[in-house]
Amino acid sequence: GEDVEQSLFLSVREGDSSVINCTYTDSSSTYLYWYKQEPGAGLQLLTYIFSNMDMKQDQRLTVLLNKKDKHLSLRIADTQTGDSAIYFCAVKISGNTGKLIFGQGTTLQVKP
Amino acid sequence: EAEVAQSPRYKITEKSQAVAFWCDPISGHATLYWYRQILGQGPELLVQFQDESVVDDSQLPKDRFSAERLKGVDSTLKIQPAELGDSAMYLCASSFRGGVQTQYFGPGTRLLVL
Repeated sequence: GEDVEQSLFLSVREGDSSVINCTYTDSSSTYLYWYKQEPGAGLQLLTYIFSNMDMKQDQRLTVLLNKKDKHLSLRIADTQTGDSAIYFCAVKISGNTGKLIFGQGTTLQVKP
Repeated sequence: EAEVAQSPRYKITEKSQAVAFWCDPISGHATLYWYRQILGQGPELLVQFQDESVVDDSQLPKDRFSAERLKGVDSTLKIQPAELGDSAMYLCASSFRGGVQTQYFGPGTRLLVL
């Protein structure tokens, strides 16, 4: 089945850019998502990208998709302390059910 | 902005007891999902409804877990009997039928089984 992998931890200084990486195994994945989870809370949708796109930009967020390497990244420009959270990559598997496969999450720590 | 509602937010129970969680999806969303998130891991789908019908329950431990969405709107997830390993966050999500089917999540119910 589909497998989604993320690095577990990233620490940056306030004002720097953060890059969170994700790899997946199913080349027929259709949509790829980034969610943010703050402590004790549910998941907040940040952005998504279609599998036929290479890049998507939304304010401070840039998503890059390398389909050949099955690699997805999320860049956060001008990272703020409020960006500290766990970031999940999720892949919609092919088919009609819409099921999402999540990575294990990357904890982003932003130091003042 | 419309949100997915869940209750209770926290639940502490003893093993072998029964627990139930409730979810009210965003109005007009035909698809409803229940996920389980173990601490330190990503969410894993337990069951998916399209209107009142189950379309995927392949990861639902059916000997103890049950889910229903009788009128195709709100949903209840039940565990009976609860086991220590059921301690987790239970997340509900909903999506509009068709299109990107982006899933919007509720705040979750954190379950602790003692």
